[in-house]
Amino acid sequence: NAGVMQNPRHLVRRRGQEARLRCSPMKGHSHVYWYRQLPEEGLKFMVYLQKENIIDESGMPKERFSAEFPKEGPSILRIQQVVRGDSAAYFCASSPRDRPTGELFFGEGSRLTVL
Amino acid sequence: DQQVKQNSPSLSVQEGRISILNCDYTNSMFDYFLWYKKYPAEGPTFLISISSIKDKNEDGRFTVFLNKSAKHLSLHIVPSQPGDSAVYFCAASVGTGGFKTIFGAGTRLFVKA
Repeated sequence: NAGVMQNPRHLVRRRGQEARLRCSPMKGHSHVYWYRQLPEEGLKFMVYLQKENIIDESGMPKERFSAEFPKEGPSILRIQQVVRGDSAAYFCASSPRDRPTGELFFGEGSRLTVL
Repeated sequence: DQQVKQNSPSLSVQEGRISILNCDYTNSMFDYFLWYKKYPAEGPTFLISISSIKDKNEDGRFTVFLNKSAKHLSLHIVPSQPGDSAVYFCAASVGTGGFKTIFGAGTRLFVKA
């Protein structure tokens, strides 16, 4: 499967625990984006990364949230000390360096439920 | 600050008729616009895009129109099919390279058989 792979697809955490969401971009893609979709809302930009660099994190909450895209391995979105309001679908997208059509390729999402 | 707005949360259309989904934007720096389609429990998939140097782009049953002076774009689906029932997101970016893409809240389209 050459698509964007996200895991886990579903994650349940209790308040105060940590959540780690992983994203493997499409082969050949060097740009990764994370978006969050709260229930009944649209996609909210969180962070844009290239390998080993955070390019734009203007959509990331100031506390508890962090993201990385190491030289080797998947991109990881980390949420520390989760609260109920963090319950959402988190989508990862990737793109090649050049995007002739502007298209992003999305994974199927990771659905986080905080009890 | 909502830079990309889809003011209609839902739209219901009869099969075979035209579906028109609308989108407004506020940031005049946007020069690339896209539509994505999303089914429940799946990720969004790209549908069609248009750059600001054009006012129309067509791909099969899907046509996107851009009115830069009004900062408005629309997606036309004709004829509409039941399989088109999904949430449609309008999105915009500055260029196609290393910039974030901003999404609207989405419009849920129901196509009735």
